[in-house]
Amino acid sequence: EAGVAQSPRYKIIEKRQSVAFWCNPISGHATLYWYQQILGQGPKLLIQFQNNGVVDDSQLPKDRFSAERLKGVDSTLKIQPAKLEDSAVYLCASSQVTGGYEKLFFGSGTQLSVL
Amino acid sequence: KNEVEQSPQNLTAQEGEFITINCSYSVGISALHWLQQHPGGGIVSLFMLSSGKKKHGRLIATINIQEKHSSLHITASHPRDSAVYICAGGSTGNQFYFGTGTSLTVIP
Repeated sequence: EAGVAQSPRYKIIEKRQSVAFWCNPISGHATLYWYQQILGQGPKLLIQFQNNGVVDDSQLPKDRFSAERLKGVDSTLKIQPAKLEDSAVYLCASSQVTGGYEKLFFGSGTQLSVL
Repeated sequence: KNEVEQSPQNLTAQEGEFITINCSYSVGISALHWLQQHPGGGIVSLFMLSSGKKKHGRLIATINIQEKHSSLHITASHPRDSAVYICAGGSTGNQFYFGTGTSLTVIP
């Protein structure tokens, strides 16, 4: 079974530039998450999709971050303009309910450095 | 205060030692996840448990629902076990609550 695919693997940009990350979840997984993980911290939820609808985006800095999941499959996360504090690993995850419980599957992440 | 607390934050062990990582949570969850993150790598799900105990190779995870506490044990630790271990609590359709992780280094 193919896992959660993310690209790019690494990205270096200057502050005020824009950047986009792409995620392809495991086939058939309805729920997709974008997390931000700053070094030394646990993942922080940015946005959760159920199919192509947003379930939770309460922690998404909407003045600069946007995300979409067209057709309920692939998703993109965009930052425009980037700030230094956006340097982090951006993780995409999809989930499947197994035995009544939700199991998470993570992509390998995109490491963003904002200079 | 985080909804999920892990201890210790950092752990160094000699190869072969028995290792325990603890996780306490203050929110209601239906399942607790133990995740492993290697340097520069993605996150791999090790266990998902809602009660009792699960074992996979040298890894054992236990959970006490009444005490809201879970432990991850590694028997006969090996340098390849060096990674960050994260516990996360969640329930279907809701947000997952992540601990800040325990960085484990196993020295040969």
